[in-house]
Amino acid sequence: EDKVVQSPLSLVVHEGDTVTLNCSYEVTNFRSLLWYKQEKKAPTFLFMLTSSGIEKKSGRLSSILDKKELFSILNITATQTGDSAVYLCAVLTSGSARQLTFGSGTQLTVLP
Amino acid sequence: DTGVSQDPRHKITKRGQNVTFRCDPISEHNRLYWYRQTLGQGPEFLTYFQNEAQLEKSRLLSDRFSAERPKGSFSTLEIQRTEQGDSAMYLCASSFPDRDGAYEQYFGPGTRLTVT
Repeated sequence: EDKVVQSPLSLVVHEGDTVTLNCSYEVTNFRSLLWYKQEKKAPTFLFMLTSSGIEKKSGRLSSILDKKELFSILNITATQTGDSAVYLCAVLTSGSARQLTFGSGTQLTVLP
Repeated sequence: DTGVSQDPRHKITKRGQNVTFRCDPISEHNRLYWYRQTLGQGPEFLTYFQNEAQLEKSRLLSDRFSAERPKGSFSTLEIQRTEQGDSAMYLCASSFPDRDGAYEQYFGPGTRLTVT
């Protein structure tokens, strides 16, 4: 059975701190890994990673995938209170459904 | 607004009643997904459509659940004889393949179902 595990489950930091969120996976027929941000509503798409070692970057957020060790990290630098959210990692597998298997998320709280 | 839309946003129903939710995907997306999310968990896959064809259903989708996408555009998810365990956020997502076949799924705002 496909499995996605995120750590830590929750994290509390102060504005300006840098955080690293972890996602490990065990799936068959890996296709890509996606990160989403969820703030009390629908998940919003952040990144999709398909190749190992290539960093994706958007502003203060960046992410990288290691397909050999089966994990990804999401970094957020200079955190702001608006970064407070649940960050979800999901793996897309090859196959007819193209469904996403999600981890349970990391709850990030950024204090002013 | 050209994103995924869902209706209603909230639904409170009594146990044993039937409920139906609607999802309107992004117009050019031919793939549509339903997920269920409970508190503190990530979304769990329920079912998937490519155009009007329902191609896969999760074992989470009991025979009380049925989904349709009659013309390959909007979709409905019906739950019959609701149970308290059905209380959750029901999320719809849509996608269209990019050139190398990797798919970003875009989510709607969800329908929060509470069964009393």
